Amino acid sequence: DQQVKQNSPSLSVQEGRISILNCDYTNSMFDYFLWYKKYPAEGPTFLISISSIKDKNEDGRFTVFLNKSAKHLSLHIVPSQPGDSAVYFCAATDSWGKLQFGAGTQVVVTP
Amino acid sequence: EAGVTQSPTHLIKTRGQQATLRCSPISGHTSVYWYQQALGLGLQFLLWYDEGEERNRGNFPPRFSGRQFPNYSSELNVNALELEDSALYLCASSLVQGRVYEQYFGPGTRLTVT
Repeated sequence: DQQVKQNSPSLSVQEGRISILNCDYTNSMFDYFLWYKKYPAEGPTFLISISSIKDKNEDGRFTVFLNKSAKHLSLHIVPSQPGDSAVYFCAATDSWGKLQFGAGTQVVVTP
Repeated sequence: EAGVTQSPTHLIKTRGQQATLRCSPISGHTSVYWYQQALGLGLQFLLWYDEGEERNRGNFPPRFSGRQFPNYSSELNVNALELEDSALYLCASSLVQGRVYEQYFGPGTRLTVT
């Protein structure tokens, strides 16, 4: 039962433009959400997080938006850079120690 | 500061054998988590250890087990290996006990079962 879904397996964006990654979840008990970035042959690296009591969190070029009523969150990357090319995972938690991940979105930033 | 380390990088086993994977957390981190990433799938939560105790477990059969040592390093053991156990196994550590917060991942161990 996939409770965190990333329905776009891939995204191609031009350098300098905005990348928007989407994530939907089904479990209303999720109260903390995270985005991870993964390069090939490396483990995922933490990018940004948001608590369910907020609807927006910003860190440099990265902003995460949370819409609890729609059970939807998104990650905006502005401006996109070639080094942003990676797989991005959305994750959520409702209990101690257990992160539930989406299947990932492959982002390719083109010159 | 050294990150999370895992060994071995690659492991090849035959069906029915046992596999042991190792993880060393970031210095000062007491929580260790294990995840499985099968081909084309997201990361699936396996186990969480903190202060030497198993705190939470994912939907995996009992032949997946592990332990955490006094120095907070951890082992994941997979008994009676099956072909579908072939996957990337990722270990993560975190500083804050209980709440998930930011987990820092190692590079993973690629397990291939033939």
